Parts: sequence; structure tokens; C-alpha cells
Amino acid sequence: QQPVQSPQAVILREGEDAVINCSSSKALYSVHWYRQKHGEAPVFLMILLKGGEQKGHEKISASFNEKKQQSSLYLTASQLSYSGTYFCGTEEGSTDKLIFGTGTRLQVFP
Amino acid sequence: NAGVMQNPRHLVRRRGQEARLRCSPMKGHSHVYWYRQLPEEGLKFMVYLQKENIIDESGMPKERFSAEFPKEGPSILRIQQVVRGDSAAYFCASSPKGPGTQYFGPGTRLLVL
Repeated sequence: QQPVQSPQAVILREGEDAVINCSSSKALYSVHWYRQKHGEAPVFLMILLKGGEQKGHEKISASFNEKKQQSSLYLTASQLSYSGTYFCGTEEGSTDKLIFGTGTRLQVFP
Repeated sequence: NAGVMQNPRHLVRRRGQEARLRCSPMKGHSHVYWYRQLPEEGLKFMVYLQKENIIDESGMPKERFSAEFPKEGPSILRIQQVVRGDSAAYFCASSPKGPGTQYFGPGTRLLVL
């Protein structure tokens, strides 16, 4: 079953923060986050493995709560380049297969 | 190190024709995944292959669709007797070994007239 992302869409002014959530109904082995700009391929942001870890990449970080089967992506001091659709990809058990979430469309305006 | 390559980037077919989509994984990657994306929608898993083996094809329609990843050459996603509903962007991704980061190709945009 497809993970559910919330919110579906976010509109920000440059410099504002945002949180994108990803929830699964199944136990997760890992969560992957990608950003896709219109007409382009998804670009890998980060991967989180079970263990409740948190990762950061410049001003973008993420957490993974395996008990709640949830992951959150944190965007701090957003930049225009952050605009795009964010997808989480979940892996149930060590299957090597990703099931992508419903997507969150983020738009950052000057 | 070249990234994942897909060709053609755009493909137009008439209903009933065949579509062949090619994916060359990154150098050193032996795992290939195919996804389909409809306009304004998410990525839907289709099939996962390793060299000469189909590992998981649970997302692939039972009829008209097939995939292969031969020992030599690119991975091929083949759609026979295309219908308008097959129009979509098809992405492939590769990884050195699963689980791990999947790197996506630029996609093939298929339009069925």
C-alpha cells in the first residue's frame, strides 16, 4: 500500500520553514527521500534506516520513527531552488523495492 | 562516471504498435528498477531486475508488458500493442546493490496516439 504524505501542497516565502510527513501502514526497513522538478527525474536527497536515525543535508534534514512507521522531512530557511515535488520511498523489509508516497508539491516564492 | 541513461527520451507510438524503452545503469550497478509516472502523479513501481534475473515484477501488468536485463547491454522495458493508457513517463533507476540509494535516469516520455 502506498505511503501517505502530508501536506499535499505547501506554499512558502523564501526563508520560511516546512515539514513534510510520510506515513506507512506497514513496518519499514528504510525511508528514502527524493525531490522531483517538473519534467525532470527524481533526485535523491537522503536515506534513513530503521533505528530512529536523523540525517541532515545542508538545510534539509529528516527523521525516521520506525515504531510510528513515519518519517518527516524538514526544510529550513527555504530557498527558491527547493521548489518541486517531494516523494518519500519506503522499503518494507529488506526487499530492495521502493514504494513511493503520494507526493508533496512545494513552491517557494521570493 | 556517467549517470543512468535512458533512450529514447521521447517516444510516440500509434495504438497497437510496440514500444521499447532502454536503460543503461550507472557503471558498476547491477540492480535496475522501472517505474511509471502518470502526469501529476507519483512513481509506481513496475519491476526490479538484476543481471539476467527478474527479482520482483509485482507492479507490472500481466499482459503486454515485459522487461529484461541481459548479461550484456541495457535493460529493456517492452510494451506490446500499446494503448492510450500507456502514455506516461517511464523512469528507470539503478543501484550498486540493494537496499540503497537508487539513482534515476532522465526518463522516457511515451505518447500513444
